[in-house]
Amino acid sequence: EPEVTQTPSHQVTQMGQEVILRCVPISNHLYFYWYRQILGQKVEFLVSFYNNEISEKSEIFDDQFSVERPDGSNFTLKIRSTKLEDSAMYFCASSRDRGGYTFGSGTRLTVV
Amino acid sequence: SQQGEEDPQALSIQEGENATMNCSYKTSINNLQWYRQNSGRGLVHLILIRSNEREKHSGRLRVTLDTSKKSSSLLITASRAADTASYFCATDTNAGGTSYGKLTFGQGTILTVHP
Repeated sequence: EPEVTQTPSHQVTQMGQEVILRCVPISNHLYFYWYRQILGQKVEFLVSFYNNEISEKSEIFDDQFSVERPDGSNFTLKIRSTKLEDSAMYFCASSRDRGGYTFGSGTRLTVV
Repeated sequence: SQQGEEDPQALSIQEGENATMNCSYKTSINNLQWYRQNSGRGLVHLILIRSNEREKHSGRLRVTLDTSKKSSSLLITASRAADTASYFCATDTNAGGTSYGKLTFGQGTILTVHP
């Protein structure tokens, strides 16, 4: 069964530092997404990406966030200057079309 | 209630019993999806039901959708201890075009199945 792979599984970073979360979506999928889940809260949409550009983003996805598909396989989420409140589980997902999304197992980001 | 709210918040049953979880939402949807999450792990897609469908089955799962009441239910029949997890509904409200993937998740139902 094809999987969405996320690395690292857990990252600890100092407040103010930049972090890059990495994802390898399923190879024939065309749509890519980032979601986050703060501990004990709902899963929240951050951004969707299609055809090498952002197709939609939430109000959470401010100027501190950016996404990139640097090559044919990776999809990254960068947080420029991390804050304590960025601590969360970040999920990458991909889909072939408007159907069920395949989520990765997540990166737990802890900002200290 | 907010878009994609599940009830109950927690459900505890014995192995072999059926588990029913409900989800209500507020705005029109394109489709509604159910996901499962084991503690601290990723989201596993279970089933998708489109707005023009009323019922869907997948193995021991049965999902219903009532667009007039803006509600959905997930039934797990003959539950097993391995079904213990959090279950989330997520609504896709995008009208189309190139805007995809903005799923709105509920708070989830924590299901515990006792052996």
